[in-house]
Amino acid sequence: DGGITQSPKYLFRKEGQNVTLSCEQNLNHDAMYWYRQDPGQGLRLIYYSQIVNDFQKGDIAEGYSVSREKKESFPLTVTSAQKNPTAFYLCASSIGTGLTGELFFGEGSRLTVL
Amino acid sequence: GESVGLHLPTLSVQEGDNSIINCAYSNSASDYFIWYKQESGKGPQFIIDIRSNMDKRQGQRVTVLLNKTVKHLSLQIAATQPGDSAVYFCAEIRMTTDSWGKLQFGAGTQVVVTP
Repeated sequence: DGGITQSPKYLFRKEGQNVTLSCEQNLNHDAMYWYRQDPGQGLRLIYYSQIVNDFQKGDIAEGYSVSREKKESFPLTVTSAQKNPTAFYLCASSIGTGLTGELFFGEGSRLTVL
Repeated sequence: GESVGLHLPTLSVQEGDNSIINCAYSNSASDYFIWYKQESGKGPQFIIDIRSNMDKRQGQRVTVLLNKTVKHLSLQIAATQPGDSAVYFCAEIRMTTDSWGKLQFGAGTQVVVTP
C-alpha cells in the first residue's frame, strides 16, 4: 500500500545528542514536509522540500536540519542546538504545492529528551 | 517564547447529535481551506476541503461552511459517532514569498463523543 512511513515511533535522547528521524514515502509525491506538534497547539512547519536536492526553512527551523537526496526520503535531524526538542514530529507529502490538494501525513515520531 | 501546556477547546457531543466545530482564520487572501482529523497518537487525516470561491461543500456526514466576510470556517458532522472523537484542525493556504502555497494550521478542537 502507498503511504508515508516514519521511524522510529518513539525515541528517547539525552541532552546534547543529535537524533535523526526517518521519513519515507512511496506515493511518488514531489513535496515533503516536517511539522512539529506540541500539546494543545497546532502543527508548526519546520522544513519543506518541493523537489529533490532543494529544501526551505519553515517557521521554526532553528535547531533542525534536513536533506532531500532522494524523492522518497526526507530525514529530519534534531540537533543539540534545539533547546526544547521534546515533541511529536509529523512528516507529510503532497503531489505538488499545497494549493493543489491535501497533505498526506505519516503516523508521527514522538521524541523525548531525558 | 513558546506557550506550554495549553488546553485545547473541547466540544462534548452526545452520540447521534450533530457537531459544529468552528475556526477563525486570519488571512483574507487565503485561497484554500482544509479540515483534518487527528486521533490520539496518529497523524492527521484529510476530511474535506473548500476553495475560497465556494460557501459550502458537503461530504459523507460532513459539511464545511466558509464565511469570507468574517473569515470563519466551520465543520458540521451529522449524527456524531464514537469514532468521531478526535482533535479537528482547520488549515488555510497562505502563499509564501516564493509564491508557493503553505498550509497554516489552527490550534485544533478536541471533540469528545459521549454515549
